[in-house]
Amino acid sequence: QVQLQESGPRLVKPSETLSLTCTVSGASITASYWNWFRQPPGRGLESIGYIYYTGDTNYNPSLRGRVTISLDTSKSQLSLRLSSVTAADTAVYYCARGDRAPDPWGQGTMVTVSS
Amino acid sequence: DVVMTQSPLSLPVTLGQPASISCTSSQTLVYSNGNTLLSWFQQRPGQSPRRLIYNVSKRDSGVPDRFSGSGSGTDFTLKISRVEAEDVGVYYCMQGTHWPWAFGQGTKVEIK
Repeated sequence: QVQLQESGPRLVKPSETLSLTCTVSGASITASYWNWFRQPPGRGLESIGYIYYTGDTNYNPSLRGRVTISLDTSKSQLSLRLSSVTAADTAVYYCARGDRAPDPWGQGTMVTVSS
Repeated sequence: DVVMTQSPLSLPVTLGQPASISCTSSQTLVYSNGNTLLSWFQQRPGQSPRRLIYNVSKRDSGVPDRFSGSGSGTDFTLKISRVEAEDVGVYYCMQGTHWPWAFGQGTKVEIK
């Protein structure tokens, strides 16, 4: 059974960099695409970007070059870095497997941007 | 970017009665391989999204057969034949044809 677990700081200061890790178990990280999504409080879902095991990435243009997604195959982890954060980046962040119809998803981690 | 529009946004339903959610995309969702990449997700309160349907009408393993998806091109529908208490939550359609993937606003299903 494939499981994903997000982890990282729950509070980030404005203008700093948000960094999250997603640990994958039950599947090879070199066998699929891996996504990051987010969901602001009380709102809908937004695609952040995805990575293939080859290292190929695709990012949402709305994030204006602030996002980096990477893989650590030795640890079976994917990472998200979002720079220059503002309050608008406050959200639950999810990782998910697969491209175009992601499944399954991690449980999500709430990140608050505040001083 | 592709815009996904769901209706209704709120759907009160009596237990045992059917429910239907509509999803319309601003562009066709037919992918280059001929598949139409429209999925439906259920998000129960306090939980992460769970995929129910992919490629318009393919039900995921473990998803009750009271859930069904249909549609083509730009117009899609999720139907619940007989709503049960465990179906309470928010339902999202999502397109995976054009990057960035896009979700509908969500439809909140509640029991009357």
